[in-house]
Amino acid sequence: EDKVVQSPLSLVVHEGDTVTLNCSYEVTNFRSLLWYKQEKKAPTFLFMLTSSGIEKKSGRLSSILDKKELFSILNITATQTGDSAIYLCAVVGGSNYKLTFGKGTLLTVNP
Amino acid sequence: DGGITQSPKYLFRKEGQNVTLSCEQNLNHDAMYWYRQDPGQGLRLIYYSQIVNDFQKGDIAEGYSVSREKKESFPLTVTSAQKNPTAFYLCATEGQGGQPQHFGDGTRLSIL
Repeated sequence: EDKVVQSPLSLVVHEGDTVTLNCSYEVTNFRSLLWYKQEKKAPTFLFMLTSSGIEKKSGRLSSILDKKELFSILNITATQTGDSAIYLCAVVGGSNYKLTFGKGTLLTVNP
Repeated sequence: DGGITQSPKYLFRKEGQNVTLSCEQNLNHDAMYWYRQDPGQGLRLIYYSQIVNDFQKGDIAEGYSVSREKKESFPLTVTSAQKNPTAFYLCATEGQGGQPQHFGDGTRLSIL
């Protein structure tokens, strides 16, 4: 059975801190790993990673994939209260290349 | 205005009642998906459709049904057989070529 595990499940930090969110996976026929940010409603797409060792960056957010060790990290530097959200990791794979989601990391950034 | 529209935003179900959640898209995407989100559980796949008039069960299809008569529409019916329907339901679409899935704003279903 395909599995995606995120850690920690929740995290509370102060504005300005740097955080690292973790995602490990066991998926057959791995194709890609995606990160989403979910505030109140629709998850919004952040990154898609397909190759090991290549960092993707968008402003204060960055992510990298290790296909040998089967994990990815999402870094957020100089956190702001607007970064408070659930961060979802999902992997495309399996027999039908469906998305398998982790349980998410609830990040709370306090002023 | 392109995107995915889910309606209603909030829905209440009475005991023994079937309810239908709407998902409409104008992105011209072939694939559409329904997920259920419970607190602390992440997203779980209910049903998906990769082409009109065809759909497959996901991981938690029991108590749900779908149809895909038009490319733009993928309604989800929560039947009375679904004993624990209270959850946040998300619809997603996916374009061709391994594009990331995009989500609607969701429908929150509760039991009266």
